[in-house]
Amino acid sequence: AQSVTQLDSQVPVFEEAPVELRCNYSSSVSVYLFWYVQYPNQGLQLLLKYLSGSTLVKGINGFEAEFNKSQTSFHLRKPSVHISDTAEYFCAAQNTGGFKTIFGAGTRLFVKA
Amino acid sequence: SAVISQKPSRDICQRGTSLTIQCQVDSQVTMMFWYRQQPGQSLTLIATANQGSEATYESGFVIDKFPISRPNLTFSTLTVSNMSPEDSSIYLCSVEGRGTYEQYFGPGTRLTVT
Repeated sequence: AQSVTQLDSQVPVFEEAPVELRCNYSSSVSVYLFWYVQYPNQGLQLLLKYLSGSTLVKGINGFEAEFNKSQTSFHLRKPSVHISDTAEYFCAAQNTGGFKTIFGAGTRLFVKA
Repeated sequence: SAVISQKPSRDICQRGTSLTIQCQVDSQVTMMFWYRQQPGQSLTLIATANQGSEATYESGFVIDKFPISRPNLTFSTLTVSNMSPEDSSIYLCSVEGRGTYEQYFGPGTRLTVT
């Protein structure tokens, strides 16, 4: 992957509302795609990943993402967010056959009561 | 999965000094990665460390400033040399899960340079 673009730097949303965090990537080869989450004052952990197969991927905490090859996108969604989902979310890509992971700039999700 | 520990967890250092960060993994891994996460920003890869060979540095990072050691398959160190306030950042160690392609991260070292 040459680059990963997260289109929103901050997303404020009310509790129990749906949310979508957008991610686009550019690459001349096939890629693996990931979403990582970083809770306040904690390390990064994997939320979900797309390697191959079904384009709809389900992850932890009720999140899911859809790989769209034609639009080179991997948007993250959750139908109903909780206060505890407040965190920084990073989209990442790795070329298949490569070993370097490229991270997007991050999207700060802020869930309000 | 892999469990990664880093030492120190945080430090405050004076400019011109050096700090060595240690990264320990609970299993043997081929490659270890060092990242920098500046305040409010994303992760930037500093270098990839393979056991038995010199680290491979990304554009903008040089060995004299960020020397790396990789003495065995479970341990690595990153030194931040001749520090300036611009080096204030979180430094993260990571490894790739065997066959999973996902990365496991250490808790990070929060460095403040005054």
